[in-house]
Amino acid sequence: AQKITQTQPGMFVQEKEAVTLDCTYDTSDPSYGLFWYKQPSSGEMIFLIYQGSYDQQNATEGRYSLNFQKARKSANLVISASQLGDSAMYFCAIISNFGNEKLTFGTGTRLTIIP
Amino acid sequence: DARVTQTPRHKVTEMGQEVTMRCQPILGHNTVFWYRQTMMQGLELLAYFRNRAPLDDSGMPKDRFSAEMPDATLATLKIQPSEPRDSAVYFCASGAGGGEDEKLFFGSGTQLSVL
Repeated sequence: AQKITQTQPGMFVQEKEAVTLDCTYDTSDPSYGLFWYKQPSSGEMIFLIYQGSYDQQNATEGRYSLNFQKARKSANLVISASQLGDSAMYFCAIISNFGNEKLTFGTGTRLTIIP
Repeated sequence: DARVTQTPRHKVTEMGQEVTMRCQPILGHNTVFWYRQTMMQGLELLAYFRNRAPLDDSGMPKDRFSAEMPDATLATLKIQPSEPRDSAVYFCASGAGGGEDEKLFFGSGTQLSVL
């Protein structure tokens, strides 16, 4: 079984500041992948970034980076220079690779960027 | 620009009626997932297919829900009879079946309201 925990139901951040969204995970599989998705108020789910369990370096995609600490089982999302358009729900998710490729989501964090 | 297409975008129906939601996965993707999103439960996996074969539908109430893939370009989720507690956003997602780096691409969702 796999589980994602997001402990921050909501966050308010000043525009242009960096923000860290927390994510911890639990899995018994040695091989897994971690994802972050963004869900704006329009409702669609937008893929942001991926980190494989065997990746040596932290993943980065533009202003998004993933702070992967395997021993702590954490995969925090860092957004640099936040923008008003970053206001949305953010979901952390995990998938494991033992023939059961179900993506399990956390409960999400609602991020609000303040002008 | 490849994307997952879901229809209808919104559906309002009366309790007891049959509801059919359709999904066209991205061409070439061989995994298809159905998720349900509610405020209380978050994102729940209902069913998933690989190469059109159902691999896991344990998250789906079997007495009223059914999921099928009649061909590689169409996935359907049916509810019969529908109940008010089925009101939610239903997402379809597809992936290339890459195991732990399986990025899922989501459709825009079907907002279902059962009165």
